[in-house]
Amino acid sequence: NAGVMQNPRHLVRRRGQEARLRCSPMKGHSHVYWYRQLPEEGLKFMVYLQKENIIDESGMPKERFSAEFPKEGPSILRIQQVVRGDSAAYFCASSPLGQSYEQYFGPGTRLTVT
Amino acid sequence: QKEVEQNSGPLSVPEGAIASLNCTYSDRGSQSFFWYRQYSGKSPELIMSIYSNGDKEDGRFTAQLNKASQYVSLLIRDSQPSDSATYLCAVSTGSSASKIIFGSGTRLSIRP
Repeated sequence: NAGVMQNPRHLVRRRGQEARLRCSPMKGHSHVYWYRQLPEEGLKFMVYLQKENIIDESGMPKERFSAEFPKEGPSILRIQQVVRGDSAAYFCASSPLGQSYEQYFGPGTRLTVT
Repeated sequence: QKEVEQNSGPLSVPEGAIASLNCTYSDRGSQSFFWYRQYSGKSPELIMSIYSNGDKEDGRFTAQLNKASQYVSLLIRDSQPSDSATYLCAVSTGSSASKIIFGSGTRLSIRP
């Protein structure tokens, strides 16, 4: 059973470009979460999605950031007009439908903005 | 007050001893509690989940939950050098209880 998959693992963008991060949840999981982790800091919740629905986006910056989880295909975290402060590790996690809410993490995408 | 608080460490424990990691949380309505281990440069790995007051044991790990005190802990018995990592406490919150808030982590170092 494949785990949570994220790609790319490393992404380098120049200031002003767009970054697209992809996440495929574990088989049978219908909930996807995105987190950002700055060096030497904890995980910060960004957004929680189910298929075709954003359930909670209270951690998303108001501008430049968006997320989707379409009916078919992976979840996408999109960052427009990246700035140096966006450099971080972005982790995706998934959980099954149910009460436990145990989340399983992908390997992350390390974004570097030059 | 932070929603989930942990001592950042580093916590240094001799090999073979018991490592004790602590966490407090602010949302009295929280129902689900998790401990994750994160090695440097890697993603978090779920090692324990606990939902009711008391102790839950899994191998060398024991999670303890006290909802009245809003306190959750992780004990690691017979500590090994491979246990050296950052341990993240995570607590469910929100109306749907599906949003999880992470503490900033405690860095644990097991000295041979």
